[in-house]
Amino acid sequence: DQQVKQNSPSLSVQEGRISILNCDYTNSMFDYFLWYKKYPAEGPTFLISISSIKDKNEDGRFTVFLNKSAKHLSLHIVPSQPGDSAVYFCAAIWGGGSEKLVFGKGTKLTVNP
Amino acid sequence: EPEVTQTPSHQVTQMGQEVILRCVPISNHLYFYWYRQILGQKVEFLVSFYNNEISEKSEIFDDQFSVERPDGSNFTLKIRSTKLEDSAMYFCASRTVRNTIYFGEGSWLTVV
Repeated sequence: DQQVKQNSPSLSVQEGRISILNCDYTNSMFDYFLWYKKYPAEGPTFLISISSIKDKNEDGRFTVFLNKSAKHLSLHIVPSQPGDSAVYFCAAIWGGGSEKLVFGKGTKLTVNP
Repeated sequence: EPEVTQTPSHQVTQMGQEVILRCVPISNHLYFYWYRQILGQKVEFLVSFYNNEISEKSEIFDDQFSVERPDGSNFTLKIRSTKLEDSAMYFCASRTVRNTIYFGEGSWLTVV
C-alpha cells in the first residue's frame, strides 16, 4: 500500500538555508494533506495542512505547495534551524467522508549548524 | 496549548494478556482516533470514533481490539489476548476540524 510516498528517506541542509521535503500520492480522491514532525519515541506534531482545492498554504517558516496534476506536494522550511531536525511525515485524508489518515514513510531532516 | 495525553507511556505485557491504553483527547474535540506504528514501519490507522460509536476501522482492527469512551474525557483502546506482533507505539489522536488532527505522545507496548 503505497498511496502516499516519500521517496527521500533523509535530507541534510545547512542552517539558514531552505529545506524542501517532497511527497507524492497516487489517488486523486484525497482531499486534505497534512505534514507532521516527529521526534523519536514521541507522537507526531501537526505542522500545516492544505486542502486539495488550494495550491499553497503558508504558516510562518512553513509553506506547503500542492500540484494536483502531478499528484505532488512539498513542504518548504525557510530558514531552516537545527531544532527542525526530525522526521517529517506527509499524510493524506481520503475524500468522501473517510476519517483515515494515510501516512508516508517519512523523511529524516538534519539541519546542520 | 491543549494536548492529547496518553497513559501509560510504556507497558510491557506477557503474550495472551489484556492491555488497556488510555487517552484524554483535547477537551472540545469530537473525533477520536487510534493509530499505531510498528518499529520501522509507517504510522497506520486503526479506528476512528465519533458520537460514541466507531465511525471507521481498518482491517487491522479485528475482534481483538475494542474502543470505549467510558466518561466525558477518557478514550481507551483495549487489546485482548496480546500477541508478539502487537508490539508497537500506539497513538491516540483527536480533532475538531477535518484538516487538523492532533496526536498524543504515544504508548509503547512491548509484548513478551
